[in-house]
Amino acid sequence: QVQLQQSGAELVKPGTSVKLSCKASGYTFTSNHMNWIKQTTGQGLEWIGIINPGSGGTSYNVKFKGKATLTVDKSSSTAFMQLSSLTPEDSAVYYCAPGAFAYWGQGTLVTVSS
Amino acid sequence: DVVLTQTPPTLSATIGQSVSISCRSSQSLLHSNGNTYLHWLLQRPGQSPQLLIYLVSRLESGVPNRFSGSGSGTDFTLKISGVEAEDLGVYYCVQGTHAPWTFGGGTKLELK
Repeated sequence: QVQLQQSGAELVKPGTSVKLSCKASGYTFTSNHMNWIKQTTGQGLEWIGIINPGSGGTSYNVKFKGKATLTVDKSSSTAFMQLSSLTPEDSAVYYCAPGAFAYWGQGTLVTVSS
Repeated sequence: DVVLTQTPPTLSATIGQSVSISCRSSQSLLHSNGNTYLHWLLQRPGQSPQLLIYLVSRLESGVPNRFSGSGSGTDFTLKISGVEAEDLGVYYCVQGTHAPWTFGGGTKLELK
């Protein structure tokens, strides 16, 4: 069955970067674009961007351009999202979800605090 | 960006009651290819969202048929025909017609 295993919770300092991972199994990794979504209590669910694992092509929500960078490693069927210049407003749960949201990872909690 | 407005924000129901959630879009969600990319998700407490309905009215595999979706253009509805305890949580609509994809604000279904 389809599984998406995301990396563990992160506590990071303002101004630094963090790289989250999402390891996919149970389907052909390159057959579905991978979405990344941010969830906060205040802003709800926000779509960050999408990556084509086959080509590496990306498309970002303008709001997250310069904040998020999406990459993949096809050899390990893993998608990555790097978040840079972190501020407390980046504190959230981040999900990966391939295709049309039929499957979701368990989420990674990122806390930005000094 | 497309704004999805869900109503009501909170819904109180008894077990067995039928309920409906509305999702209204600021733009038509009919894509030039003829599809309407409006989907419904349920997020149970402490869990990741799960897909219930895709393309307005298509039931995701494994989802009980008490869930149904309808609508077109800018107005969409999710109906639960006979709420069960496992249905409690927050329901979201999401659109994938116009980039960036956007989500509704959510409707929390709770027990009366």
